[in-house]
Amino acid sequence: GENVEQHPSTLSVQEGDSAVIKCTYSDSASNYFPWYKQELGKGPQLIIDIRSNVGEKKDQRIAVTLNKTAKHFSLHITETQPEDSAVYFCAQQGGSEKLVFGKGTKLTVNP
Amino acid sequence: DGGITQSPKYLFRKEGQNVTLSCEQNLNHDAMYWYRQDPGQGLRLIYYSQIVNDFQKGDIAEGYSVSREKKESFPLTVTSAQKNPTAFYLCAISHRRGEAFFGQGTRLTVV
Repeated sequence: GENVEQHPSTLSVQEGDSAVIKCTYSDSASNYFPWYKQELGKGPQLIIDIRSNVGEKKDQRIAVTLNKTAKHFSLHITETQPEDSAVYFCAQQGGSEKLVFGKGTKLTVNP
Repeated sequence: DGGITQSPKYLFRKEGQNVTLSCEQNLNHDAMYWYRQDPGQGLRLIYYSQIVNDFQKGDIAEGYSVSREKKESFPLTVTSAQKNPTAFYLCAISHRRGEAFFGQGTRLTVV
């Protein structure tokens, strides 16, 4: 079935360091892998996504990598800033076309 | 938010009452979703609809009902059968390429 495991559940880094969040999935039919950022009291915002025909995608300080063989994908944030502090969710979409989300990672960037 | 509107932002319900949460979109997307968010639980799918007059149960549909009479609207009713309705409710829309956009959420509290 469709399931997404996300780690770690909390992550604390110093400003300027990198942060990495990892997700694993079970549905081999998964073909779309978005990442969302949620600030307190707001809805999640799409920050980057990747499709199964691509291994890596980068957008300024954010990058996502996908390893289809191992069924895992990761979010990389470089040169972290305090405004990066939020809860980040990974998700995957497979044959059913519904999005299945991980449980989230609370990222804290300390000044 | 990208053309998706949830209302109200805050909602209070007395025990035994039904309440309806509104979700409207003007982006002409086919698919609409309702998620429930509790602390530490991530996003759990309640119901989703991929076409007008059709919808499917998600992982936690018990105690909830929906309708999709118009493409633009996907209201969620929290019935008295839902024993623990206090939560943050998020509506999302997507088109077939997968990108999903969330509303700003409705925080429901039982008083």
